[in-house]
Amino acid sequence: DAKTTQPPSMDCAEGRAANLPCNHSTISGNEYVYWYRQIHSQGPQYIIHGLKNNETNEMASLIITEDRKSSTLILPHATLRDTAVYYCIVRVVFGNDMRFGAGTRLTVKP
Amino acid sequence: DAGVTQSPTHLIKTRGQQVTLRCSPISGHKSVSWYQQVLGQGPQFIFQYYEKEERGRGNFPDRFSARQFPNYSSELNVNALLLGDSALYLCASSVRDSPGTQYFGPGTRLLVL
Repeated sequence: DAKTTQPPSMDCAEGRAANLPCNHSTISGNEYVYWYRQIHSQGPQYIIHGLKNNETNEMASLIITEDRKSSTLILPHATLRDTAVYYCIVRVVFGNDMRFGAGTRLTVKP
Repeated sequence: DAGVTQSPTHLIKTRGQQVTLRCSPISGHKSVSWYQQVLGQGPQFIFQYYEKEERGRGNFPDRFSARQFPNYSSELNVNALLLGDSALYLCASSVRDSPGTQYFGPGTRLLVL
């Protein structure tokens, strides 16, 4: 079973920041938080990952709470092309599988 | 740069038949993982291979098997197909044995009638 909890769906206005929450209250000290997204049943696309520090790349920012029990993926300026299912996954970096939950369906509206 | 490629893109089979799906990883990636995604659900882990050896297996029956070749490409075989095997089959590659970041291919959509 997935070790994360995400809202099933969210809406966001185009051009605004999209903040996607994820709860992972049972996360272990050696587990990372990964985010992927999937558009129209294409293959999942890697977005970002982190251990305990906040991370930023060209796609998004990842904010992890100090106790590491939850995190937020931030898309700073959402576009219609960001409409997708977003998956939050916790895993040991040396593990050999990723356990996907149901994810959050983000709909960006004009 | 070429990403992970999978073939075929779509496939229709009947119950009881056998199917082989193929995956070519990103150049330089030595680990390949397979996932099954049933409509409306997240992907479920099937296998991980590294250097032609199986390194991990998910909760799937023995009808599912896989192998990795010296060029790091991989095949997933499913025997005695059931209607419930209808799904999107995803291949992901990563650089090392212990896959940190996995990069996914577009998938093969299998329909079993």
